[in-house]
Amino acid sequence: DVKVTQSSRYLVKRTGEKVFLECVQDMDHENMFWYRQDPGLGLRLIYFSYDVKMKEKGDIPEGYSVSREKKERFSLILESASTNQTSMYLCASREGNTGANVLTFGAGSRLTVL
Amino acid sequence: AQTVTQSQPEMSVQEAETVTLSCTYDTSESDYYLFWYKQPPSRQMILVIRQEAYKQQNATENRFSVNFQKAAKSFSLKISDSQLGDAAMYFCAWSTNAGNNRKLIWGLGTSLAVNP
Repeated sequence: DVKVTQSSRYLVKRTGEKVFLECVQDMDHENMFWYRQDPGLGLRLIYFSYDVKMKEKGDIPEGYSVSREKKERFSLILESASTNQTSMYLCASREGNTGANVLTFGAGSRLTVL
Repeated sequence: AQTVTQSQPEMSVQEAETVTLSCTYDTSESDYYLFWYKQPPSRQMILVIRQEAYKQQNATENRFSVNFQKAAKSFSLKISDSQLGDAAMYFCAWSTNAGNNRKLIWGLGTSLAVNP
């Protein structure tokens, strides 16, 4: 089974801190995604990556950046965390740009910014 | 632009009974996929079922089946013989099957409670 692992299930940070959310997948998937999930707003795409060192903005990239130096790892970075970035963050991976477009998700990282 | 609408924010069902979750979508494309994902409380999101638009036959996976009405742009999920483990948030999603940027368009979700 494809496994997508998010390094932290729960994080509490202070306003202005730099936050790293790490995601690792173990099945050589080309594509990786970061979503934000908020009640009543569903899933919103922050960034996605088609390949190593490739990234594209999603629907809500403001306040976030990403890094993909290795194929298996996709990091989400909050340069200066703010309280409105308190949320559940979901990482997902996909085999490639063809086929059934099925995403495999990690368990999520719940971030609280105080 | 494509949209996905789940009109039922919350639903409940008695254990062992059947429930149908609604999803409608809007697109001008003819080649696309539709998905239902399940997110149990504090657990990861998993794929329940998917449907290819060019296939007329409705997809089924054990107790889960869909009613795909392409002309009406409707894609409902039926859960038969509901079990306590079916309690979750269910998301409907749409994706084109064309091009390289095949982003998923998500509905806002339906929270399903299963009563013993």
